[in-house]
Amino acid sequence: GIQVEQSPPDLILQEGANSTLRCNFSDSVNNLQWFHQNPWGQLINLFYIPSGTKQNGRLSATTVATERYSLLYISSSQTTDSGVYFCAVEEAGTALIFGKGTTLSVSS
Amino acid sequence: KAGVTQTPRYLIKTRGQQVTLSCSPISGHRSVSWYQQTPGQGLQFLFEYFSETQRNKGNFPGRFSGRQFSNSRSEMNVSTLELGDSALYLCASRRAGSGEQYFGPGTRLTVT
Repeated sequence: GIQVEQSPPDLILQEGANSTLRCNFSDSVNNLQWFHQNPWGQLINLFYIPSGTKQNGRLSATTVATERYSLLYISSSQTTDSGVYFCAVEEAGTALIFGKGTTLSVSS
Repeated sequence: KAGVTQTPRYLIKTRGQQVTLSCSPISGHRSVSWYQQTPGQGLQFLFEYFSETQRNKGNFPGRFSGRQFSNSRSEMNVSTLELGDSALYLCASRRAGSGEQYFGPGTRLTVT
């Protein structure tokens, strides 16, 4: 089956810094989503981005489907950005396959 | 529009018991998927239901089962609980024909 790799596994930043999270996947995908898991466990939708570039405030994402990777950019990070970020892809079919996540810690 | 809701939010069960978890999708969403999250295995797909039919199933033993009702609400059942079933169980819904899934807050199950 398809493999999803996220890097880095852990990231420690000072408030105000910028960061880039990467998601590589091993085969063609129909869909790709980025999530932020809050401290209570809920997965919050950040982007649905099977291809192209999207921006939402301080966050933006780019997926290059032909090269099988996606990037999540966080600018001017805040302590509330802390948590685990997941990339998930969907093969032909209906199941999301998740990476192991990037744990982001932002300190003030 | 209300989000995906899951009940109960927390549950403690004893090994050997069975448990039923409930998920109500976003209004108008007919697809419901279930995922298990554990520290060791991460997030893994359990199954998906669409219009009361199981459309896809992950690699879990038969002790894990589910169903969907005509109003799109879904339940999952785990029989003969094992310690390793302790996990966060997440439910997601999406509209027919859409790829984007929306997750509920999860049910945290502890098996003692």
